[in-house]
Amino acid sequence: DAGVIQSPRHEVTEMGQEVTLRCKPISGHDYLFWYRQTMMRGLELLIYFNNNVPIDDSGMPEDRFSAKMPNASFSTLKIQPSEPRDSAVYFCASSLTGEGEQYFGPGTRLTVT
Amino acid sequence: GEDVEQSLFLSVREGDSSVINCTYTDSSSTYLYWYKQEPGAGLQLLTYIFSNMDMKQDQRLTVLLNKKDKHLSLRIADTQTGDSAIYFCAEIDNYGQNFVFGPGTRLSVLP
Repeated sequence: DAGVIQSPRHEVTEMGQEVTLRCKPISGHDYLFWYRQTMMRGLELLIYFNNNVPIDDSGMPEDRFSAKMPNASFSTLKIQPSEPRDSAVYFCASSLTGEGEQYFGPGTRLTVT
Repeated sequence: GEDVEQSLFLSVREGDSSVINCTYTDSSSTYLYWYKQEPGAGLQLLTYIFSNMDMKQDQRLTVLLNKKDKHLSLRIADTQTGDSAIYFCAEIDNYGQNFVFGPGTRLSVLP
C-alpha cells in the first residue's frame, strides 16, 4: 500500500479564496483523522470519521471549515473563505481501529496570503 | 478534558542518552504512544506501551510508564544526529477513539 496520500503537498492562496485539501486513507482503514499543525498551537485534531461518518468535529475552528468523506477511499477538508491565520500544515491520518496506530500522510502546507 | 504535557526542547550531545518526558491526565488510557516527526514529514509511530506494563525496550529505545504519577518517558540510548526530530507523546481519550497528542519535544542532537 502507498500509505496515506494527501494532495496537494503545498498550496499558496490569497485570502478569501476557497481551499480544498484531499486525502486518500490506507485501504481497509475504518478511521480517518484531519489534524492541523502550527508552531503556536502544535498538533490539533480537527475532525475524525469512522466508516465515512463524522464522529467528532469539535476541533473544527469555525464554520469556514468543512470536511466530507463521500466514500471509504476519499476525504476532503475545505476552507471557505480562507484567512491568513489558516496557514498551517494539515495532516490526514488513518487507522484500522480507534485505538490503533495512526498512519499519517505527508501533510499539505497551506499558506494564505 | 484530557491533557498531555511535554517539555518543548531538549538538546543532547551525539552518543549521549536522551530522555523525553511526558505527563498525561487520563488514567483509563489503554495504550500510550510515542510518535516521531522528522522535518517536513508526517508523524510516524515510534513505539507504544500497554498500560499494564512498566517498561518496554526496543533496541535503543526504552519506554518507562509510571501509572501512579501518570508519567511516561522515552529514553534513546546512544543518540545519533538522525534522531533529531520532534517527539510526540499521545494517549487515547476516554471514548477510546481519539488520540490526544502532547505539544511535542524538539530533540536537537549536537555533534
